[in-house]
Amino acid sequence: DSGVTQTPKHLITATGQRVTLRCSPRSGDLSVYWYQQSLDQGLQFLIQYYNGEERAKGNILERFSAQQFPDLHSELNLSSLELGDSALYFCASSAPRGNEQFFGPGTRLTVL
Amino acid sequence: AQKVTQAQTEISVVEKEDVTLDCVYETRDTTYYLFWYKQPPSGELVFLIRRNSFDEQNEISGRYSWNFQKSTSSFNFTITASQVVDSAVYFCALNRGSTLGRLYFGRGTQLTVWP
Repeated sequence: DSGVTQTPKHLITATGQRVTLRCSPRSGDLSVYWYQQSLDQGLQFLIQYYNGEERAKGNILERFSAQQFPDLHSELNLSSLELGDSALYFCASSAPRGNEQFFGPGTRLTVL
Repeated sequence: AQKVTQAQTEISVVEKEDVTLDCVYETRDTTYYLFWYKQPPSGELVFLIRRNSFDEQNEISGRYSWNFQKSTSSFNFTITASQVVDSAVYFCALNRGSTLGRLYFGRGTQLTVWP
């Protein structure tokens, strides 16, 4: 158990819908990262937050957004969902002075 | 640009065989970090090791060992006396030391260990 929690574990929805994925980092970690894993693209970095502020952006679509709250949990919002958004979404966290990233169990999103 | 290449897509071995997973990376940074993660069939990503660019010492942890060679930009992972429980996808990743940010992942190597 990495100490990073993600909910829900599975999510099935329809095209055009909007969903929210939730992540709680390890105790004491200030950085939260979101990654998408698909067969086509592999593991792709989406976005990073550090202590509530956006730190870096990767291959994140405009239909996707994220935020980190004062209690350091983070949410990834996916809207106008398409079939191609079906993937495993991981959240990871790292300590303020460390750069090992510890991953949550992931949320498997299926868009029908 | 940062890039990690894992040329071996799939490897199959029989239990107790040794197996080496290859990882080649590209970066122009002088400070960087290299990682290996394991993704078992259950799907989670498990951190195995971190190596920084200034430390080329090989590392051994039980049946696992890692060989870092800057001259060939490689960070290979060897499992000695493999076991069925080692069956998983293994990812090599790179992190730019200056930003301490995102991980750049290779495409992974699917290791299957047969009994």
